[in-house]
Amino acid sequence: GENVEQHPSTLSVQEGDSAVIKCTYSDSASNYFPWYKQELGKGPQLIIDIRSNVGEKKDQRIAVTLNKTAKHFSLHITETQPEDSAVYFCAASEGSNYQLIWGAGTKLIIKP
Amino acid sequence: KAGVTQTPRYLIKTRGQQVTLSCSPISGHRSVSWYQQTPGQGLQFLFEYFSETQRNKGNFPGRFSGRQFSNSRSEMNVSTLELGDSALYLCASSFPSGSGDEQFFGPGTRLTVL
Repeated sequence: GENVEQHPSTLSVQEGDSAVIKCTYSDSASNYFPWYKQELGKGPQLIIDIRSNVGEKKDQRIAVTLNKTAKHFSLHITETQPEDSAVYFCAASEGSNYQLIWGAGTKLIIKP
Repeated sequence: KAGVTQTPRYLIKTRGQQVTLSCSPISGHRSVSWYQQTPGQGLQFLFEYFSETQRNKGNFPGRFSGRQFSNSRSEMNVSTLELGDSALYLCASSFPSGSGDEQFFGPGTRLTVL
């Protein structure tokens, strides 16, 4: 079955700098890769996603890149702001059964 | 449009008891997934229901069960509670259109087992 590894587990960056979180997956049949943000006391919320027929996707300060050959995808946040502080989760679809396999999460800390 | 609601938000039980958690999905959503979240463990998939049928199941013991009603509301039951069942239980709903759909999460139910 699918396995998703996420690194780093904690990331501390200066406000205004960029942050990069990386995930690797094992199932070459995976075709959907979302990123979720979880703020304290709330459930995760989708911030960006990418499908296997696309290499990169951007939405303002957030971008995701996908390397199908190497089986890894990354979240890039530019010009970080205090409100970006949260836990970020990556996930990958497991084949065609609609189930998402999740990474362990990255706690992003933005230092003022 | 109202979001996903979960009740109760907090629950304290003792070992050996059973508990039922409830999830009301976004109107029109037919899929409901349940997750267990513990510190440092990310989201562990419990099961997914679609049109009142369990479509997928994670690697949890049979003490964890669920069901979905005709209005798509879902319940999760845990019998013979253990200390290790203490966690945040999240449900998420989606409107499946194929492989890969946004899941909308509720705020979770915080279960503490004493």
